[in-house]
Amino acid sequence: QSALTQPASVSGSPGQSITISCTGTSSDVGGYNFVSWYRQNPGKAPKFMIYDVSNRPSGVSDRFSGSKSGNTASLTISGLQAEDEADYYCSSFTGSNTWVFGGGTKLTVL
Amino acid sequence: QVQLVQSGAEVEKPGASVKVSCKASGFTFSSHHMHWVRQAPGQGLEWMAIINPSGTSATYAQKFQGRITVTRDTSTSTLYMELSSLRSEDTAVYYCARDQGGSHSLKFDFWGQGTLVAVSS
Repeated sequence: QSALTQPASVSGSPGQSITISCTGTSSDVGGYNFVSWYRQNPGKAPKFMIYDVSNRPSGVSDRFSGSKSGNTASLTISGLQAEDEADYYCSSFTGSNTWVFGGGTKLTVL
Repeated sequence: QVQLVQSGAEVEKPGASVKVSCKASGFTFSSHHMHWVRQAPGQGLEWMAIINPSGTSATYAQKFQGRITVTRDTSTSTLYMELSSLRSEDTAVYYCARDQGGSHSLKFDFWGQGTLVAVSS
């Protein structure tokens, strides 16, 4: 199972919106509505931000939203803040009780 | 409070095996699926395995089939991951994670602190 494809880096200025894409295949992202997104700060364990494509766990800001179209899922962060600077990873169910992560995207807040 | 406390760093030679533990507390261990995820230095996350709440069934990423064994001891609330035939590419931080459950999305609400496994001759 190959890793999902994410851009290596994205950037934005405070207050702007950015979108991180996560491209898979019909066997993972496109086949199931079980995409999650994680944020990882340096030296820390990841924190899950979105599950089931577009649902936010309690405590996650509504500035974070998720969507999916075909084989590509997306994470959008609106009203960008300095504290959003981190690495972001998508994951998808691939069937048969297995999952795959994306390669990760480094978000820089300019 | 929920805690997942992993065993300490390991240095192993190529071809050897390593067994990492993850002791859970603060929640009903036998009610949650548990996973192992690893992260090589400067690299991304890699899903490795899941084990069901009772420990009767584990599923592994195809990449690790035949080299990995995940078990859990509900009497001591401890999760284990053993990886054999180690090679340098296995050098990584290994994390255990609790799945919140409720869907097939990965919903890791608690993580262990990570265990560095270094493979070097």
